[in-house]
Amino acid sequence: AQSVSQHNHHVILSEAASLELGCNYSYGGTVNLFWYVQYPGQHLQLLLKYFSGDPLVKGIKGFEAEFIKSKFSFNLRKPSVQWSDTAEYFCAVLHSGYALNFGKGTSLLVTP
Amino acid sequence: DTEVTQTPKHLVMGMTNKKSLKCEQHMGHRAMYWYKQKAKKPPELMFVYSYEKLSINESVPSRFSPECPNSSLLNLHLHALQPEDSALYLCASSEGGQPNEKLFFGSGTQLSVL
Repeated sequence: AQSVSQHNHHVILSEAASLELGCNYSYGGTVNLFWYVQYPGQHLQLLLKYFSGDPLVKGIKGFEAEFIKSKFSFNLRKPSVQWSDTAEYFCAVLHSGYALNFGKGTSLLVTP
Repeated sequence: DTEVTQTPKHLVMGMTNKKSLKCEQHMGHRAMYWYKQKAKKPPELMFVYSYEKLSINESVPSRFSPECPNSSLLNLHLHALQPEDSALYLCASSEGGQPNEKLFFGSGTQLSVL
């Protein structure tokens, strides 16, 4: 099954710092990749997704991700984080048609 | 209405109890999902229903029994659970039938098994 791995488990940043969270996928063929965010006490929300086309994908709340096929990567970026970005971030890949396999998640803490 | 509603929000049950988790959506979605999420862990897929038929069972123990009575409802029946089954159970839905679809997640039911 297709899988993703996230190497940064905990990230602490100051407000206005730039963010990059790593995500690598395992499958060399066609992949459909997602980033989800889970704010404290809230449900999972889709930040952005990549299916095909432009490898630079823009999502909600100023987030973007770049699909780099040669590196099997789909890293999430934001130029300037805010305290409200404190959350758990999950990279995910589609498998079995339309079910998601999630990575282990990265816990982001943004300090004032 | 773009919500997936799960009830109850919290549930405490003993190992001999029988309980059910409920999930409802009125977006006309035809695919519905159950995920299990332990604290600080990613969601793990349990079941997928597509057009009210079970299409994926990720080798979930039989003490978890899903049911899709109609296209808007998804239940998860629980019986003889173990303490290690304590987790957040998330329901999700998508339009159905096509890959690459956005999943809409509910807020989950926090289950504690004593």
